[in-house]
This record gives sequence, structure tokens and C-alpha cells, in this order.
Amino acid sequence: SQKIEQNSEALNIQEGKTATLTCNYTNYSPAYLQWYRQDPGRGPVFLLLIRENEKEKRKERLKVTFDTTLKQSLFHITASQPADSATYLCALYNQGGKLIFGQGTELSVKP
Amino acid sequence: DTAVSQTPKYLVTQMGNDKSIKCEQNLGHDTMYWYKQDSKKFLKIMFSYNNKELIINETVPNRFSPKSPDKAHLNLHINSLELGDSAVYFCASSQDGSEGYGYTFGSGTRLTVV
Repeated sequence: SQKIEQNSEALNIQEGKTATLTCNYTNYSPAYLQWYRQDPGRGPVFLLLIRENEKEKRKERLKVTFDTTLKQSLFHITASQPADSATYLCALYNQGGKLIFGQGTELSVKP
Repeated sequence: DTAVSQTPKYLVTQMGNDKSIKCEQNLGHDTMYWYKQDSKKFLKIMFSYNNKELIINETVPNRFSPKSPDKAHLNLHINSLELGDSAVYFCASSQDGSEGYGYTFGSGTRLTVV
């Protein structure tokens, strides 16, 4: 079955550094991969979508890469700020046409 | 202007009761979804409707019944609530259900069954 794995351990970094989160998937080849942010007590918020023929995509301080050979996406936040502290989820469509989510990685940016 | 709104935000009820959660989106999207987020924060899809038609029905107990009176609304009715139903339920919508669009989520309904 298709699986998505994100680092379940929380990531703690210092303000101003670059945060890098990893999303690995197995057993299928998605055409798109999405990243969301979730704050406590709130619903996930869509951040970025990257297509399989795009190696990299940027949006302000965010950068996403998509390596279909490694079956991996990396999510980078440059010049991180305490306000970036949240849980970040990657998601992709499985073969059944359903958007499935990883378990998320909690990011904590310390001032 | 809330894009996807769900009510109530909190729901505490006793085992065996029947309850409903309502969801409305004002984005003009064709597809709506219900997701369940358990205590381990895993988001799992339950149902998907496209323009009032059921598209996805995951392995969910029959006690859960979605209803879509129009494409802007998707409600979730739960019969005979059990302790294990306690979770946060999220409604979401997307433009047309295809892979090229992100989802817009509501703020969630925290259901506690006691």
C-alpha cells in the first residue's frame, strides 16, 4: 500500500536559520505533491503544490523540491521566524484518487 | 468571510447519542470532503462528494452518513456514537477534485464522546 513518511520528531531551530523538513513516499508515483501548515486547534492550510516535472518551486521564503527518483520531497523555510512554528504536512494523491497525508513534522523556531 | 465553515466547533455528547456536524463553503468549489484527525494527529479521509454525488466512501462504519443537499454544503451525521469516535473532524473543499488543486479546510469540530 502507498505510504507517506515524515520525520515524526519535532524539529527545533534558531530564528534566522533554514528549516528543512522531509517527506518520503513509497509504492507509487504521484503526479503532484502538496504541503500544508497546521496550527494547534486549526485546520490545515494549503501552502504549495509541486508537479512531478518540476524539480523545485518557491513561494516567498518557502522552497519545495520533488525528487521522483528518490521518492522524496524537501520543504525549506529560509530565514525562519517564531511565527513559522507549526506542524507541516505533506500530502499526495494515492492510486485511488484520494489525498492522503503524512503524520506531519512539528517545527519550533526559537527566538 | 470564512471560506469553509463548520459547526459546531466543539461537541461533547454521551455514548449512544446521534449528532450532526454541518459544513458550508463559499468558494464555489465542486468537491467537498470529510477528514478525521485522531489523537495521533493523523488525517484520514472519510468521504468525498463532487457536486452532490458521493465519490469516495472510505471504510467508515455505517453509523456515519454524509449528506450533501447542494454543492456548497456537506453535512455529517453520526448515529449511536461510540467512545472511539472522539476525534477532530475536518471539512474541506477543492476546486474540482483533480490533483492540481490544494484543499481548503475548515477549522474543525472537536467531538468528545463520554
